[in-house]
Formats: sequence, structure tokens, C-alpha cells
Amino acid sequence: DAKTTQPPSMDCAEGRAANLPCNHSTISGNEYVYWYRQIHSQGPQYIIHGLKNNETNEMASLIITEDRKSSTLILPHATLRDTAVYYCIVRVGGAGNNRKLIWGLGTSLAVNP
Amino acid sequence: GAVVSQHPSRVICKSGTSVKIECRSLDFQATTMFWYRQFPKQSLMLMATSNEGSKATYEQGVEKDKFLINHASLTLSTLTVTSAHPEDSSFYICSARDARHVLPDQPQHFGDGTRLSIL
Repeated sequence: DAKTTQPPSMDCAEGRAANLPCNHSTISGNEYVYWYRQIHSQGPQYIIHGLKNNETNEMASLIITEDRKSSTLILPHATLRDTAVYYCIVRVGGAGNNRKLIWGLGTSLAVNP
Repeated sequence: GAVVSQHPSRVICKSGTSVKIECRSLDFQATTMFWYRQFPKQSLMLMATSNEGSKATYEQGVEKDKFLINHASLTLSTLTVTSAHPEDSSFYICSARDARHVLPDQPQHFGDGTRLSIL
């Protein structure tokens, strides 16, 4: 599975959009991009995922570049409760439920009042 | 959404004790569950993949006799840390994927973790 690169930390003002970048320049054509976040001392929470097209749900938007070498997670109106470590992971889809997630160190997002 | 419950949330026990952690999928069936360990300021490290009705698959470097995994039903997997020592103190997290979904890209859903402290 492809490796991802994320900035170690970011700050965002409350109420503003938080844009978290992820580089996955070695991504393969059948690898999906997943985003999870982990609030301190809790288990990771699934946010969103995509393959080629941009995706949006109630939590966030995922913008994937046309060459798929990078993506951006957008939290449109960040709140203090969005302070967490955000993980970008790429993983192959396909048959079998045993596909592992390989976790990096993520981006520690601090939302400031 | 899919809910994974992990119990207990925190355990403090003496060295040499065995500790069992439960992971339950509350509103879906999970043929596969994953067990992770996370040390402070580090990322999640996959320990093993738990398969319902068969033996777990352990990652390299994880002692299967020390970390016993049982996945006896489609909604429950347990991790037992046998003869725990202070170096086993960590945050243990399980995850599961809904077996009903046939699409290949379904996400994993995580429990809230178990903080294990061995004195």
C-alpha cells in the first residue's frame, strides 16, 4: 500500500475552514484514500474516503487531485471539538476483508477560539 | 452508523496478571476484527487480524502466546494479555468492518480503546 505524507501539525481558527493536505504520490490506481481522526484518548473515527472523485458528507469534504497524487480534507467550519490527530491512509480495495490499514503519525490539528 | 464497543475502557493491574479485553460490534456482524496497540505520541500499530471461527493472523513481532485472540461469534472478539508486565502498558484499540457490505472500500469502525496500565 502507498505511503502518505502529512504535515505534523496545523492550527485553525474556530469557525474557519480547516484544510488538511496529504501527499500520496505513489498511489496506485486501485487504492482508496481514507481519512480518520483520533481525539485524545479515544479510538479513531472514520471521516470520509474516496477513489477518484471528490466526496462530501456531513463531516467533511475530500478533494482528490486529478493525478491522485495528493488530497485535501476540508472541515468547512471547524469547531473546538475538531481538535484531533487526522490520519490520511491509502489502501487497496478488492476482495477480502483482511486489508490492513497502515497508520502514519497524522496531522495534529488545533482549533483555536 | 456502525458502533463498536470495547470493554473495559481502563484497567490497572499488577504485574503477572492476565487481562481480557472485549470488542463487540453492536449493530452489525463482523467476520473480521483488528487489534491495535498505541504507545504515547505514536501511531496505531496493528497487532493481529481476528477472523470469526478461525485462528487470528498476527503481525511480525507480536507474540501469539502472549496476546491471545478469540473471535467466537460474529459480534465479539477478545484479546487476552497473558502474564502482563509493565512494558505491556499501552492503549489497545479494536476495529471491525460490517460483513454485510460487499463493496471493497468499506471503512473500519473503531472502539474507544482500553487503557492498560501494569504496575
